Amino acid sequence: ETGVTQSPTHLIKTRGQQVTLRCSSQSGHNTVSWYQQALGQGPQFIFQYYREEENGRGNFPPRFSGLQFPNYSSELNVNALELDDSALYLCASSLMEPGGETQYFGPGTRLLVL
Amino acid sequence: GEDVEQSLFLSVREGDSSVINCTYTDSSSTYLYWYKQEPGAGLQLLTYIFSNMDMKQDQRLTVLLNKKDKHLSLRIADTQTGDSAIYFCAETTAARQLTFGSGTQLTVLP
Repeated sequence: ETGVTQSPTHLIKTRGQQVTLRCSSQSGHNTVSWYQQALGQGPQFIFQYYREEENGRGNFPPRFSGLQFPNYSSELNVNALELDDSALYLCASSLMEPGGETQYFGPGTRLLVL
Repeated sequence: GEDVEQSLFLSVREGDSSVINCTYTDSSSTYLYWYKQEPGAGLQLLTYIFSNMDMKQDQRLTVLLNKKDKHLSLRIADTQTGDSAIYFCAETTAARQLTFGSGTQLTVLP
């Protein structure tokens, strides 16, 4: 167990809808990263938040947005859902340190867009 | 840009050693990681190696890093059926994001 939790575990939406996914970080961690894992592929980096500010973004459109709260929990919001957004969404928490960080993953939220 | 490559499948007999290979392209990688993913689950961190190291051993796991060839391997000794899973290697760069390979499906045969 990593101490990283995500909700909900599964979600079904229709094209055009909006979705919010949630993540609670491991105690003591100040950084959260979100990844999208399509079926049969490795996770792809969406963005990272450090101390409530976006700290890096992958190749995802602006309809993917996020928030990090003072308690370091986080949300991933996706607007105008498309069929290709169907995937496992993983969050990872870490402690930002000068030498780097090790990311610990939650169990993921499986999103199906119909 | 970064790109991490892995072979897709590996089958071994129970009790044998497994070796999973990975190549990466970003020479500025600071840490390299191995994660395990079981069906329907998230990613479990197995081990990691700092880029100035050649080898790291952790119980049944041995990581070898050849920085010149940008080659990373994970050896699992005495492979058990519970080791059947998908194994991902990943690198971090100055951007601090993880870049993953597409994963190696390890099947352990009885």
